[in-house]
Amino acid sequence: QSALTQPASVSGSPGQSITISCIGTSSDVGTFNYVSWYQQHPGKAPKLMIFDVSNRPSGVSNRFSGSKSGNTASLSISGLQAEDEADYYCSSYTSTSTLVFGGGTKLTVL
Amino acid sequence: EVQLVESGGDLVQPGGSLRLSCAASGFTFDEYAMHWVRQAPGKGLDWVSEINWNSGRINYADSVKGRFTISRDNAKNSLYLVMNSLRADDTALYYCAKGGSAGILDYWGQGTLVTVSS
Repeated sequence: QSALTQPASVSGSPGQSITISCIGTSSDVGTFNYVSWYQQHPGKAPKLMIFDVSNRPSGVSNRFSGSKSGNTASLSISGLQAEDEADYYCSSYTSTSTLVFGGGTKLTVL
Repeated sequence: EVQLVESGGDLVQPGGSLRLSCAASGFTFDEYAMHWVRQAPGKGLDWVSEINWNSGRINYADSVKGRFTISRDNAKNSLYLVMNSLRADDTALYYCAKGGSAGILDYWGQGTLVTVSS
């Protein structure tokens, strides 16, 4: 199972909006609405931010949103804040009942 | 409060074996699937294995199939990973994570470090 494809890095200024893409295949993102997004600050464990493509767990800011079109899922963050600077990973359930992660995207808040 | 505490990580020689443990608390352990996910130093997340609530469904990444074995003891609220034939590329921080439906990993431990080196 090949990793999902994410941009290595994205950046934005405080208050701006950014979008991170996650490209999969018809064996994962394209077939299942089981895409999740995780935020990881340096030296910390990952934190679930979005599940089932577009749902936010309790306690996650509504500045975070998710969507999907075909084989591509996206994470959008509006009103960028310094605390959003972190690594972000997408994941998807797959046709072989496994999970696959993206390579990760480093978000820099300028 | 959900807590997941991993242990068992160590320095091991190539070809060696290791057993990781994950102690769970703060939720009804025997109602949820559990996962192992690893992260090599400076690299991204890499899913390793999943076990469902009653051990009736187990899945592995191709990279560890036949070498790693996941198991759980619901009476002890514990998850395990036995790793055999370890290779240098198994070096990573190993996280246990609580599973939701279809691959949701809603809580993570802080990880235990496995280093495979001679």
